[in-house]
Order: sequence, then C-alpha cells, then structure tokens
Amino acid sequence: DQQVKQNSPSLSVQEGRISILNCDYTNSMFDYFLWYKKYPAEGPTFLISISSIKDKNEDGRFTVFLNKSAKHLSLHIVPSQPGDSAVYFCAASKSSGNTGKLIFGQGTTLQVKP
Amino acid sequence: NAGVTQTPKFRVLKTGQSMTLLCAQDMNHEYMYWYRQDPGMGLRLIHYSVGEGTTAKGEVPDGYNVSRLKKQNFLLGLESAAPSQTSVYFCASSHRGPGVSQETQYFGPGTRLLVL
Repeated sequence: DQQVKQNSPSLSVQEGRISILNCDYTNSMFDYFLWYKKYPAEGPTFLISISSIKDKNEDGRFTVFLNKSAKHLSLHIVPSQPGDSAVYFCAASKSSGNTGKLIFGQGTTLQVKP
Repeated sequence: NAGVTQTPKFRVLKTGQSMTLLCAQDMNHEYMYWYRQDPGMGLRLIHYSVGEGTTAKGEVPDGYNVSRLKKQNFLLGLESAAPSQTSVYFCASSHRGPGVSQETQYFGPGTRLLVL
C-alpha cells in the first residue's frame, strides 16, 4: 500500500522554464510534507517543507503547494537550472506519533537541459 | 562538523554472511533512522530510534537488527545476508524540541551493499 505516490518517474525541462513535480498521498492523517533532493552517490538533502495548516510555502526558486482536499502537493522550481537535475522525493509525516517517521514517494528524476 | 557519516561506503557479501553497517552523527540528534533505497521504491524505513537505548521497527524490518547503545551511533546488522537485501542503505538523524520540526531528517551518503 503506497501511501505517498509520485506517478511521474521522470521529467525533462529546458533551462529557465518552470519545473513542476507532483505528489499524491492517501492518508488524511499526514500533516507535514517535505521535499528532498538527491544527487547520484549522495544522500538526500532537505529542500523545502509545508505544514497542513498552510497551502503554500516559498523559498527562493522553490515553492511547494498543498491541496488537502485533493491530497496532492506539488513542487515548483522557477527558473529551472541545470544544477537542479536530480531525483526529487516527496515525503509525508504524522506529527501526532512523535517519532519523526517519514513515508517517501518513489521519486521523480528531473533533467534540466541547458 | 561532519553531520551524518556511514561506514562502509560499499560492500560485497555472499549469501549467508553477516555484517554491520555503522552510522554516526555529531549533531546531538535524538532520533535516528535506517532506510533502504531500491529502484522504483523510494526510501523505505527499516528501523528507527527515538533515543539512546531505544529502537523500533519500520516498514521493512525483516532480516535486520539494530542497536543504539550511544546517542551518536546507530548500527544496522544483517545476520544472514540474502540477495534481496542488495540495496543502498541510508542513515538519517533528526532533532526533537519545541518549535523544531523533528521530521526534517539529515541523511548520510549511503552504503551500497551487494549480496551475491
């Protein structure tokens, strides 16, 4: 039972354009969502997060949108740069458990072409 | 400040052999986690610990054991390795505290394990 899904295994965009990565979840108890970025042969690094009390969070070129009714979140990267080429994982958490456990999606490989 | 480190970086095992993967963090984090990453599966939680001396099962704990004898270290053991345990293993840690997002985890560089 995949509680967090990233249905697009890969995405290719032109440098300077917008990249939109999508993520769906099934568990309505999730109340905290994160995006991680991973380069080959490295560990994932935290990118941006959003609490369920918000519908948008912005950090520089990165914006995460949360649609609770649709159980959907998306990561927008504007403008996209070649250095953004990586695997992006979304993750979800239930803060009530007080364990910090994250449930990850399968990942989306983003390629930004110069 | 090294963050989260993992030892070894790469290992080849034969079926039935045992080994221990070591994770160390120097951020004084309370929480530590072990994940495995497989193609098309994302990261799946194996075991985790919410403090020194405590451990708990994650999504895929079978075939693994863990120990957290010191706050800074989290060990993952494979008692009898199987080809299905061929994977990349990541350790992570996070902080707990008022106003701190404990869900923001910091990852090590990974250990690539091949079981023949």
